[in-house]
Amino acid sequence: EDKVVQSPLSLVVHEGDTVTLNCSYEVTNFRSLLWYKQEKKAPTFLFMLTSSGIEKKSGRLSSILDKKELFSILNITATQTGDSAVYLCAVPPGNQFYFGTGTSLTVIP
Amino acid sequence: DADVTQTPRNRITKTGKRIMLECSQTKGHDRMYWYRQDPGLGLRLIYYSFDVKDINKGEISDGYSVSRQAQAKFSLSLESAIPNQTALYFCATSPGLAFNEQFFGPGTRLTVL
Repeated sequence: EDKVVQSPLSLVVHEGDTVTLNCSYEVTNFRSLLWYKQEKKAPTFLFMLTSSGIEKKSGRLSSILDKKELFSILNITATQTGDSAVYLCAVPPGNQFYFGTGTSLTVIP
Repeated sequence: DADVTQTPRNRITKTGKRIMLECSQTKGHDRMYWYRQDPGLGLRLIYYSFDVKDINKGEISDGYSVSRQAQAKFSLSLESAIPNQTALYFCATSPGLAFNEQFFGPGTRLTVL
């Protein structure tokens, strides 16, 4: 059965801290892994990863994929209160997307 | 204007009622999806459609039906709502290849009493 597991489930940090969010997966036909940020409502896209070892960066956020060990990490450096959200990862092994349950990040001023 | 819209945004209904949630998009994408989100369970796929004539069941389709009226419109129906269908429902679209990013609507919060 295809599965996506995220850890930790929740995290509380202070502004300026660096955090690492984890996403591991077991799927029959890997094609990509996607990260989303969900604040109040709809998830918004952050990154799509398809190849191992190539880091994707956007400002203070970065992500990398390890296809051998079947996981991805999302790093956020110098966290800000605006980073508070649920971070979701998703893997589409076929036509369907399988989402993890998400990591809830709270950044305290 | 939002690219993916959902109506209604909030709905409270009673057990046994028929409910329709509507999704419209102006992105020109062929692929559309319906998800539900429950606390602790993440997003789960209900139905998806790759064009007007192509409808597919997702992970949790029991108790739901869909209609793809046009490329831009995808509706989700609960024929006889039950309390455990209380959830946040999202519509999403994606272009081209199945493993590309999805664009989500703002969500519909449905409460079944």
